[in-house]
Amino acid sequence: VLLTQSPGTLSLSPGETATLSCRASQRISSTFLAWYQQKAGQAPRLLIYGASSRATGIPDRFSGTGSGTDFTLTISRLEPEDFAVYYCHQYSSSNTFGQGTKVEIK
Amino acid sequence: QVQLVQSGGGVVQPGRSLRLSCAASGFTYNAFAMHWVRQPPGKGLEWVAVISYDGRNDYYADSVKGRFTISRDNSKDTLFLEMNNLRPEDTAVYYCARIALTYRLAGAFDMWGQGTMVSVSS
Repeated sequence: VLLTQSPGTLSLSPGETATLSCRASQRISSTFLAWYQQKAGQAPRLLIYGASSRATGIPDRFSGTGSGTDFTLTISRLEPEDFAVYYCHQYSSSNTFGQGTKVEIK
Repeated sequence: QVQLVQSGGGVVQPGRSLRLSCAASGFTYNAFAMHWVRQPPGKGLEWVAVISYDGRNDYYADSVKGRFTISRDNSKDTLFLEMNNLRPEDTAVYYCARIALTYRLAGAFDMWGQGTMVSVSS
């Protein structure tokens, strides 16, 4: 299953809303879709699993939606610490990651 | 403390071998499948391999099949990745990762090691 993330880079200001897309090459169950945040020099951190469930300790400004082949991560009210790279991950058929979306400060 | 601590890695010539380790602590290690994920410099994440909680089943990405072997020692709460016949394209930061559910092979990765760099170069 190929995952395509868009856009490649998102330039936004703190306080704005980020909308990140992840499109699968074939239908996957929403149960098997996750989102991660990665900052430079750090390991990824799980944000969302099962397409819409927040991981432990993740603030509610992070939300995930979607089903079938189209999934979205929304980050409301961007905080300075939210500027990072975000990856989607499907674990329905083996494991694949999207190529990532960088959220940068405008 | 609940964590995964990695060791191993370094610079190696093409065709040589290297072994990575990942020591778990603070949780019931033998209840969780474990994965390896890698990230080439400046690039995205690539899944490498998985081993079941009991070590009986393992699966690999096509890019490493036949060259890499994932294994675990549940008596020592440690995961391994034996990498043979290394190629320049294997150069990456390697992460061990735990899935969020017990006794399953597939899941979101809720815990990650700190990562270890492997550089394959002559």
